[in-house]
Amino acid sequence: AQSVTQLGSHVSVSEGALVLLRCNYSSSVPPYLFWYVQYPNQGLQLLLKYTTGATLVKGINGFEAEFKKSETSFHLTKPSAHMSDAAEYFCAVSEGENQGGKLIFGQGTELSVKP
Amino acid sequence: GAVVSQHPSRVICKSGTSVKIECRSLDFQATTMFWYRQFPKQSLMLMATSNEGSKATYEQGVEKDKFLINHASLTLSTLTVTSAHPEDSSFYICSARQGFSYEQYFGPGTRLTVT
Repeated sequence: AQSVTQLGSHVSVSEGALVLLRCNYSSSVPPYLFWYVQYPNQGLQLLLKYTTGATLVKGINGFEAEFKKSETSFHLTKPSAHMSDAAEYFCAVSEGENQGGKLIFGQGTELSVKP
Repeated sequence: GAVVSQHPSRVICKSGTSVKIECRSLDFQATTMFWYRQFPKQSLMLMATSNEGSKATYEQGVEKDKFLINHASLTLSTLTVTSAHPEDSSFYICSARQGFSYEQYFGPGTRLTVT
């Protein structure tokens, strides 16, 4: 069965500092991996996704993530945090049609950005 | 492109009544729609998967007679919370996918409050 673990329910960084949000997954087949951002009382917005190909994936708003199969990780990074990055971030995994296209979400990480 | 809307965005209803939430894909045909529930400061919990023209598949522990899901067309799915109780108060989010795409597009969510 698939599962996703996000280390740290809350991460706080200073504006301009590196953002690192951790995600580890388990999957019985090559996974499809996603990072979503959620602002208060809103739905989810896709930041980036890994399906196949290049393991370093670039997304919107300066975020990127690297798929490391040996570590079963898909950590999200951004070189320089901005105040507008403060939000909840969710990592998700899908096994595609093996599971009917369902997404399994991690617990979420709340990112705070200090001025 | 790939916009999903939900209506209403907020609803307050009395205990014992039923409330319907609509999820629409505005610019694509959604062969599959998903319904999630999110409690404050928590992750998304998949409630059910609905495919156009067929019965929804509910996740374990979700009462299908309480949460009625209809996916009558390729652009519309509805979730009806029947005989609502205060414990049903939550943030309900739908998502939709086009064909067999691995990506889901999320609606903005509906805040349900049962008094």
